Amino acid sequence: GAGVSQSPSNKVTEKGKDVELRCDPISGHTALYWYRQSLGQGLEFLIYFQGNSAPDKSGLPSDRFSAERTGGSVSTLTIQRTQQEDSAVYLCASSRQGAGTEAFFGQGTRLTVV
Amino acid sequence: TQLLEQSPQFLSIQEGENLTVYCNSSSVFSSLQWYRQEPGEGPVLLVTVVTGGEVKKLKRLTFQFGDARKDSSLHITAAQTGDTGLYLCAGARGSQGNLIFGKGTKLSVKP
Repeated sequence: GAGVSQSPSNKVTEKGKDVELRCDPISGHTALYWYRQSLGQGLEFLIYFQGNSAPDKSGLPSDRFSAERTGGSVSTLTIQRTQQEDSAVYLCASSRQGAGTEAFFGQGTRLTVV
Repeated sequence: TQLLEQSPQFLSIQEGENLTVYCNSSSVFSSLQWYRQEPGEGPVLLVTVVTGGEVKKLKRLTFQFGDARKDSSLHITAAQTGDTGLYLCAGARGSQGNLIFGKGTKLSVKP
């Protein structure tokens, strides 16, 4: 596709349930980022994939959060046993080579935990 | 600890006024980017600055990278209502490193 695609665009889930968020990056981009954004706030780094290197997971807030990137393309962010404080917009971005090159963002997945 | 501090957090001005927002850090970055985000959308890149002391102009927007590559500023001349949005700075450490964002400056330009 022409841009970064995220799905679903909105997700409402019950506390304690698991959710999966999907990101389709721009074809050929080696770097992929996941961020979390609370209402009107800045972007909180979650995880960063760069080529075949081990991902930088230093931003994951707890072991309930995990992410994978299959075949160097599509990425899935999984949140297990969701809590109300997980409610936020989850943004995915990709870039051609990594930090220093332009990051292109998807429109995000708005997650609401009730 | 916030790696990149942005100020002010909120700014409300009248159309035609000038403004400056700041992005500061105690860390050195190989490059720094400024993004603008509108409600319901992902951030969109405005500019990347790489060299210490670098100044870049984008129409009414002027971006400066500090000499020590630890800070940056964005100056908008004669603000327009279309400039309204969340302005985010993001720092990179090396070409293969992560991209870390500040908390942003929420700008509202009133007619």
